[in-house]
Amino acid sequence: GAVVSQHPSRVICKSGTSVKIECRSLDFQATTMFWYRQFPKQSLMLMATSNEGSKATYEQGVEKDKFLINHASLTLSTLTVTSAHPEDSSFYICSARAGEIQETQYFGPGTRLLVL
Amino acid sequence: GQNIDQPTEMTATEGAIVQINCTYQTSGFNGLFWYQQHAGEAPTFLSYNVLDGLEEKGRFSSFLSRSKGYSYLLLKELQMKDSASYLCAVMDSNYQLIWGAGTKLIIKP
Repeated sequence: GAVVSQHPSRVICKSGTSVKIECRSLDFQATTMFWYRQFPKQSLMLMATSNEGSKATYEQGVEKDKFLINHASLTLSTLTVTSAHPEDSSFYICSARAGEIQETQYFGPGTRLLVL
Repeated sequence: GQNIDQPTEMTATEGAIVQINCTYQTSGFNGLFWYQQHAGEAPTFLSYNVLDGLEEKGRFSSFLSRSKGYSYLLLKELQMKDSASYLCAVMDSNYQLIWGAGTKLIIKP
């Protein structure tokens, strides 16, 4: 099956700093990657959809200047949380969809961010 | 608006069978997914239904009725490791996934 990795798996940072999270599709090319955020005991919330070589599409209420997304290649997308604050502490999960296959998204293992 | 409904929590006994229901109202339909999510981990794919009927995959089966906007996930021979949240998600006409809040399944010995 398709494998998606995320790095780091866990990060603790001080308020005001920036954190970069990487999402990689290891054995397939992902033309589309998705970034989700999940607060404890809540469902996944889509933050943005990232297409290789173009600007990400952000969901309503998600600040694009705060959550910078770059999808520079068919196997790598990055999410940078700029000037992080304690309320940004959450579980961030990426997923990838392979080429023209519309059906299945494959999820990375997630990154747990704690902002002090 | 778009809406996915599933029970918040269910409890079942090890070795038994449990059915988790999901009803949906979305703008268009391009398939329904079930994912399993253990606490602190990312979701893992279980099943995909786009046509009416039952899809069986080992101990897990998923059913879809598009006319009723209804699906269920059936888990047989429950094991303790099946304790997890089960997420129902529908792909709408824009190929975006609309997520349910998840059903927390508690398995008791």
